[in-house]
Amino acid sequence: LAKTTQPISMDSYEGQEVNITCSHNNIATNDYITWYQQFPSQGPRFIIQGYKTKVTNEVASLFIPADRKSSTLSLPRVSLSDTAVYYCLVGDIGRTSGTYKYIFGTGTRLKVLA
Amino acid sequence: GAGVSQSPRYKVAKRGQDVALRCDPISGHVSLFWYQQALGQGPEFLTYFQNEAQLDKSGLPSDRFFAERPEGSVSTLKIQRTQQEDSAVYLCASSLVGTVQLYGYTFGSGTRLTVV
Repeated sequence: LAKTTQPISMDSYEGQEVNITCSHNNIATNDYITWYQQFPSQGPRFIIQGYKTKVTNEVASLFIPADRKSSTLSLPRVSLSDTAVYYCLVGDIGRTSGTYKYIFGTGTRLKVLA
Repeated sequence: GAGVSQSPRYKVAKRGQDVALRCDPISGHVSLFWYQQALGQGPEFLTYFQNEAQLDKSGLPSDRFFAERPEGSVSTLKIQRTQQEDSAVYLCASSLVGTVQLYGYTFGSGTRLTVV
């Protein structure tokens, strides 16, 4: 299972774009990259998932370079409510069986300041 | 239901006591996971069910931990003879087969277990 490395913490101000980079040098061919968000006293919440290039949804964008050894989660115009822990996970998501067990790291604690 | 429901929300147990934590996954979700999250750490995998079959229990820390899902829906995580190091938040997650790449797994809010 690929190990991920991400910054322990980040601070930002409201309205700014936040980019959180995750390193996953040992990513395998079948692995996908997934990001989760976790607020205090809640379970992690799925944000976005991708395999290569760029993925965008209503919440965030995910940029993955050609070598796939890193990825960047981009949160546009953050607000105070985006203060949370963000986890980068890498693995074969078992697209047909759903059997993949996520391996979480310690995540990145994002603090959004007014 | 609309989400993954876990009960109780909080549990205080005396050391040596047995506890049972319940997870109600989203209706129809085949896959069910249990994770343990210590304070300030990321969740750690405990066990995985596909329907009623426990396909992976490699993360259970000791034989004091036992999980079941007898009818392929509700799951119970049981911890026998609790110890202080068992204090953590226990998270349950579920998913539909074939939708993981779109929606990931849906996690419940967890049960916070405190062993005193």
